[in-house]
Amino acid sequence: GQSLEQPSEVTAVEGAIVQINCTYQTSGFYGLSWYQQHDGGAPTFLSYNALDGLEETGRFSSFLSRSDSYGYLLLQELQMKDSASYFCAVNRDDKIIFGKGTRLHILP
Amino acid sequence: EPEVTQTPSHQVTQMGQEVILRCVPISNHLYFYWYRQILGQKVEFLVSFYNNEISEKSEIFDDQFSVERPDGSNFTLKIRSTKLEDSAMYFCASRQSGTVNSPLHFGNGTRLTVT
Repeated sequence: GQSLEQPSEVTAVEGAIVQINCTYQTSGFYGLSWYQQHDGGAPTFLSYNALDGLEETGRFSSFLSRSDSYGYLLLQELQMKDSASYFCAVNRDDKIIFGKGTRLHILP
Repeated sequence: EPEVTQTPSHQVTQMGQEVILRCVPISNHLYFYWYRQILGQKVEFLVSFYNNEISEKSEIFDDQFSVERPDGSNFTLKIRSTKLEDSAMYFCASRQSGTVNSPLHFGNGTRLTVT
């Protein structure tokens, strides 16, 4: 089987930096993805890490440590529009399994 | 930008009835998926489909569920006899290739309400 753990909720202030952690247990692991979902919307792809280290895409960065079965999503210069749920997901073979999601609340 | 389209956006049905949820994946994508999301919960994998056959399915995807690609563009999910607990948002997704870094592109979902 597989399991992914991430905090259910995180609160941060506009303009600040926030880190959302994810730990996983799975067989057949190829990489860790992150998806964003606004209320009432569909999940949209943010990033993918196959190798250890940091991947940066604009204000968002994602990190993976395969030896620790751990990753995180870092959001910088938070904007109100970043209020959403963020899902880590493990890429296994030809399917992607999602964690329970972290709801990010942003305070003005 | 090409997108995955799903119809209808909302489907209400009575318990025991059959429903068919429809999806048109992105045209050059080869891998197709159905996920569901019960309100406020995680996105759950149901089934993956490639080369006109199911490649993997979850324990949720029991005999009441089936998928089909009846032509070159549509991808459908059928629930044969709906139960109350089938009420959820159903997302169709597609990927361009089977390489593990190929991201999923999701449709906007069909909200299924079983009464």
